[in-house]
Amino acid sequence: DGGITQSPKYLFRKEGQNVTLSCEQNLNHDAMYWYRQDPGQGLRLIYYSQIVNDFQKGDIAEGYSVSREKKESFPLTVTSAQKNPTAFYLCASAGRDRGQPQHFGDGTRLSIL
Amino acid sequence: EDQVTQSPEALRLQEGESSSLNCSYTVSGLRGLFWYRQDPGKGPEFLFTLYSAGEEKEKERLKATLTKKESFLHITAPKPEDSATYLCAVQAGGEDKIIFGKGTRLHILP
Repeated sequence: DGGITQSPKYLFRKEGQNVTLSCEQNLNHDAMYWYRQDPGQGLRLIYYSQIVNDFQKGDIAEGYSVSREKKESFPLTVTSAQKNPTAFYLCASAGRDRGQPQHFGDGTRLSIL
Repeated sequence: EDQVTQSPEALRLQEGESSSLNCSYTVSGLRGLFWYRQDPGKGPEFLFTLYSAGEEKEKERLKATLTKKESFLHITAPKPEDSATYLCAVQAGGEDKIIFGKGTRLHILP
């Protein structure tokens, strides 16, 4: 079945460590997105990519980095510069045409040790 | 500034007690309004897209409607399995991003 796969489901980070969250989709979607979800805050956009080898900062990009080397993959790195990384991270993808809904993976929960 | 506001923040209903969730929005030219359902520890599940005022979509006990300023998600005779957080999101004209509301937590009591 087509869908979006995020891994791992749970991730623990030590202070000063970079960690990478995986997101893979087989929906043949051009656009991919990373969100952070905190209790009571709703979804906040970190980075998004409309096409391979191109991506844009969202509203809270500081302390994060991404790459888009393949259409199917959009990994997110949480760097040591992100001072409050504990959150639920969601990846989404959508068709290129505007007005297309985003479809989500089941998230990665990142915690600090 | 584009904005999405959902109300109420939380809603408790008895099984079978119908109600509506509200999503008010201000955007420059609406491209699409989206409703999602999110269960704890899961990603949002897409429910509906509405594109223009007057449009309605239905799925089982859920019905979404749209005006120029707001959308309603009507829940008819809900069951406990309808308990979830319901998210509303909008895409403005000329934008690649969508803006999410903070959601309504719905709890249906048996």
